[in-house]
Amino acid sequence: AQKVTQAQTEISVVEKEDVTLDCVYETRDTTYYLFWYKQPPSGELVFLIRRNSFDEQNEISGRYSWNFQKSTSSFNFTITASQVVDSAVYFCALSRMNTGFQKLVFGTGTRLLVSP
Amino acid sequence: DTGVSQDPRHKITKRGQNVTFRCDPISEHNRLYWYRQTLGQGPEFLTYFQNEAQLEKSRLLSDRFSAERPKGSFSTLEIQRTEQGDSAMYLCASSALGTGVHTDTQYFGPGTRLTVL
Repeated sequence: AQKVTQAQTEISVVEKEDVTLDCVYETRDTTYYLFWYKQPPSGELVFLIRRNSFDEQNEISGRYSWNFQKSTSSFNFTITASQVVDSAVYFCALSRMNTGFQKLVFGTGTRLLVSP
Repeated sequence: DTGVSQDPRHKITKRGQNVTFRCDPISEHNRLYWYRQTLGQGPEFLTYFQNEAQLEKSRLLSDRFSAERPKGSFSTLEIQRTEQGDSAMYLCASSALGTGVHTDTQYFGPGTRLTVL
């Protein structure tokens, strides 16, 4: 069975602070994908990143960076110099690879509040 | 490319009524998923289509729920005899099957928020 755990329910920071959102996953599959999605108050899930299980290279995109560590089954997300517009619920998700059916298994999300 | 669209965005209905939601995926995406999201939770998988074939259904999808994807384009999700427990956000996502960089990534629509009174 697949499972994603986001232990942080809510995080509050002041603008310009750095913040890290934690994600721990469980799977018996040897190949899989990991994702992060952002859900602003409007409700739409916005795709941020996808990582393949065989690629542990960290990734940086502007103020966003992701740290994937297979040894600890973690896929953490860091926002540098947070901004008010970053306020949203962030979901980590897991799916199988190399099959037609790839349902996403989501964590319960972390609500990020960035105040001015 | 236009994104995934869903209609309606909001639906309020009385218990016992039937409701139908529509999802239009990104054009040429042959895979389509429905998810349900309740307050404070992550989305949960409901059903999956590859082209027009419904290949997977979750145990969450009771007999009152039915989904179709005629001709492999848009999809509909119908709930019969709605119950208060059906109140949730219903999300549709689509993805492409292939070997490109953007395959295997699900893109979501804005969702349909259902309230059953």
